[in-house]
Amino acid sequence: DAGVIQSPRHEVTEMGQEVTLRCKPISGHNSLFWYRQTMMRGLELLIYFNNNVPIDDSGMPEDRFSAKMPNASFSTLKIQPSEPRDSAVYFCASRDSREEPQHFGDGTRLSIL
Amino acid sequence: AQSVTQPDIHITVSEGASLELRCNYSYGATPYLFWYVQSPGQGLQLLLKYFSGDTLVQGIKGFEAEFKRSQSSFNLRKPSVHWSDAAEYFCAVGPKAAGNKLTFGGGTRVLVKP
Repeated sequence: DAGVIQSPRHEVTEMGQEVTLRCKPISGHNSLFWYRQTMMRGLELLIYFNNNVPIDDSGMPEDRFSAKMPNASFSTLKIQPSEPRDSAVYFCASRDSREEPQHFGDGTRLSIL
Repeated sequence: AQSVTQPDIHITVSEGASLELRCNYSYGATPYLFWYVQSPGQGLQLLLKYFSGDTLVQGIKGFEAEFKRSQSSFNLRKPSVHWSDAAEYFCAVGPKAAGNKLTFGGGTRVLVKP
């Protein structure tokens, strides 16, 4: 079975540009999570969805960040406008039931110049 | 609030030696506990999990972990490390309630000497 698929794997863009990160969860999974990983702050949960509905977005750093899940097989994390401090690795994870662990994608390495 | 502490930021171990990574958590009830491993440039891979029952949990790649409620600990062990075990290891805790929002420790980077 395919795992969690994230695209792009790497993104380099200039400050002020809009950035869109994409995630395809494992088929049948009904929860999806977006994380950010940096050296300074480690792994932080940004937002998560259950059955396509955002449940907790308290980790979203500011209004420049937004996430959507239009259907069970696709989610996006958007940063507009991007800033150099947004540079990090962004992970998406999904899971299918209360007692199943989260499965992670390989991440998107984002560099904002 | 729940929290996870991994006291060791780096550990260096010789190939063939034993390895123990410490994890302490703070949580108001019995949590779900996990260990993940992250190789460079990769996502996090689940090594093992504890939900209930036997407090000694076996995982993949020869790893095991022991849940000790009295010490709020969930330490990870491997009797004999291989060079391929060099990676970063994360302990995580989550509630039994729906949603399973995980809190991760800061990670322990393991270096393996030949």
